Amino acid sequence: SQKIEQNSEALNIQEGKTATLTCNYTNYSPAYLQWYRQDPGRGPVFLLLIRENEKEKRKERLKVTFDTTLKQSLFHITASQPADSATYLCALDEGGSYIPTFGRGTSLIVHP
Amino acid sequence: NAGVMQNPRHLVRRRGQEARLRCSPMKGHSHVYWYRQLPEEGLKFMVYLQKENIIDESGMPKERFSAEFPKEGPSILRIQQVVRGDSAAYFCASSPEGQGLAEAFFGQGTRLTVV
Repeated sequence: SQKIEQNSEALNIQEGKTATLTCNYTNYSPAYLQWYRQDPGRGPVFLLLIRENEKEKRKERLKVTFDTTLKQSLFHITASQPADSATYLCALDEGGSYIPTFGRGTSLIVHP
Repeated sequence: NAGVMQNPRHLVRRRGQEARLRCSPMKGHSHVYWYRQLPEEGLKFMVYLQKENIIDESGMPKERFSAEFPKEGPSILRIQQVVRGDSAAYFCASSPEGQGLAEAFFGQGTRLTVV
């Protein structure tokens, strides 16, 4: 069956360190993969999209990698700040429907 | 994502009542998507609409749930005869024509509580 797996345990890191979140998938052939941020009681906010033919994408302190052989995406936040504390969702789409399927998300807690 | 407006933000209904959730897409967006988020679960797709047309409702429960996006006015997600299991956060997203959710804009959600 198709699965999108994100670590259900919260990731706790110290301010200034790099946070790395993982998204693994099985039985998908995604055309693209997205990362969103969600704060408690709020809607998801789109952060980055990476396409199947791209290995890496960057935006300010954010970096996303996409390895279609490993079926995995890594999401990095460098020089993390307490304000980066949130739940991060990955979502992927196989390209036909343009309606992505979401993982459950991983909570990131950055300690001052 | 302040451009996608959902109301109400919080809705309390007794079992058996009807719930109506509204979504006004961003200006210039003609496509609306509804997702449901249960506690400790991911966002689950429900329905995809464009004005006056349902494109994909594969995620909608077969009974009690309906959605519309009229020519004028917001998109409405309607849940009839609500049950406790309908308690969740319901999110709406919008996109311009042809873009899908490649770069989605979500609203703040409506939190439905069935008592």
